[in-house]
Amino acid sequence: DTGVSQNPRHKITKRGQNVTFRCDPISEHNRLYWYRQTLGQGPEFLTYFQNEAQLEKSRLLSDRFSAERPKGSFSTLEIQRTEQGDSAMYLCASSLASAGGTQETQYFGPGTRLLVL
Amino acid sequence: AQKITQTQPGMFVQEKEAVTLDCTYDTSDPSYGLFWYKQPSSGEMIFLIYQGSYDQQNATEGRYSLNFQKARKSANLVISASQLGDSAMYFCEGANFGNEKLTFGTGTRLTIIP
Repeated sequence: DTGVSQNPRHKITKRGQNVTFRCDPISEHNRLYWYRQTLGQGPEFLTYFQNEAQLEKSRLLSDRFSAERPKGSFSTLEIQRTEQGDSAMYLCASSLASAGGTQETQYFGPGTRLLVL
Repeated sequence: AQKITQTQPGMFVQEKEAVTLDCTYDTSDPSYGLFWYKQPSSGEMIFLIYQGSYDQQNATEGRYSLNFQKARKSANLVISASQLGDSAMYFCEGANFGNEKLTFGTGTRLTIIP
């Protein structure tokens, strides 16, 4: 399977604990995106990378959230000191940015569902 | 700023009928793209169809077509000959040139009735 993969698929944690999620994009894709989706809502953009550079961060991404893509391949999203409001589905997507900069299709992973107790 | 509006929270459609899901957008960018995704209960977002702001013709992909009316700023998804497997959440997304601003609508839950 050459699609986007995310691990773990589910995570239950206690308030105050740190959690880390991983996303492996489609191998030739240079852009990687993180979204958060709460029940009944559309995905909300968090951040994205072009290769290893983090190019944009939403103001939704508080200082408890950090994302990395150290080698321009897989990415991790860490949430420190989790709060109950962090409970959501965290989606990762990847795309191949063309030289012309036109809109490219994002391919999504299955998501990581986080529940903070 | 970009804003995507989907005004239909839920729709029920008889199997084999066509269905139109509404999406309107608001952007000041001259170059943008509009995407539709399907999200079944499993949670994975599945890309369906894309329309660029400069595309002269409406996009089509199999049973999916996009009714793009630039003057009205609408990009409605049309599903022909609906099937039971089409039951899912459908999201419209807007992106400006280079995918630097990405916004999703609140989605429409489509239920196909046998």
